[in-house]
Amino acid sequence: DTEVTQTPKHLVMGMTNKKSLKCEQHMGHRAMYWYKQKAKKPPELMFVYSYEKLSINESVPSRFSPECPNSSLLNLHLHALQPEDSALYLCASSQDPQDTQYFGPGTRLTVL
Amino acid sequence: RKEVEQDPGPFNVPEGATVAFNCTYSNSASQSFFWYRQDCRKEPKLLMSVYSSGNEDGRFTAQLNRASQYISLLIRDSKLSDSATYLCVVNYNQGGKLIFGQGTELSVKP
Repeated sequence: DTEVTQTPKHLVMGMTNKKSLKCEQHMGHRAMYWYKQKAKKPPELMFVYSYEKLSINESVPSRFSPECPNSSLLNLHLHALQPEDSALYLCASSQDPQDTQYFGPGTRLTVL
Repeated sequence: RKEVEQDPGPFNVPEGATVAFNCTYSNSASQSFFWYRQDCRKEPKLLMSVYSSGNEDGRFTAQLNRASQYISLLIRDSKLSDSATYLCVVNYNQGGKLIFGQGTELSVKP
């Protein structure tokens, strides 16, 4: 089973809202990732958690705040987003950082 | 120069055709290589890992040439369901950071 789940599937929020995206995997993977993908572009890495510690932050604006409560869960807290932040947000996981990554179905975010 | 470069698309082919995608990467320290496919408005899904010895999975064959820093994917007997964007992906083993090519769009027509 290589399932990564994400909620919600769709999210519409205003620029003053605070919301959170959630990601879960039960494969015992120790690395989890957040990516942002715009239409017709490949995914762009945002954050990497390795063994529940933030190991990579790709210079992401502070209005995006990741959290890894335990080895199975990854959250992305959103606050004061801009319309240009509208995109598909993908979570992925892998056994450890050098292994194959498996993606969740994504959350399609629209910022009004 | 992009770190991972793929053939520009789109590729429009008839059912049953053989189609080949090419990809080059710039960092010779690259450790692992993959092809993912991505359907419209869906997540990338692993199609194949790519090994130096080459590997085959049904109608799909992947090749890696480390000396030329070149990766290929061959699809034989194309099906309508093969229509998707194919992403060439390289892992430099820099803490899990994957480097994606821009993707090649394939459209298989009846």
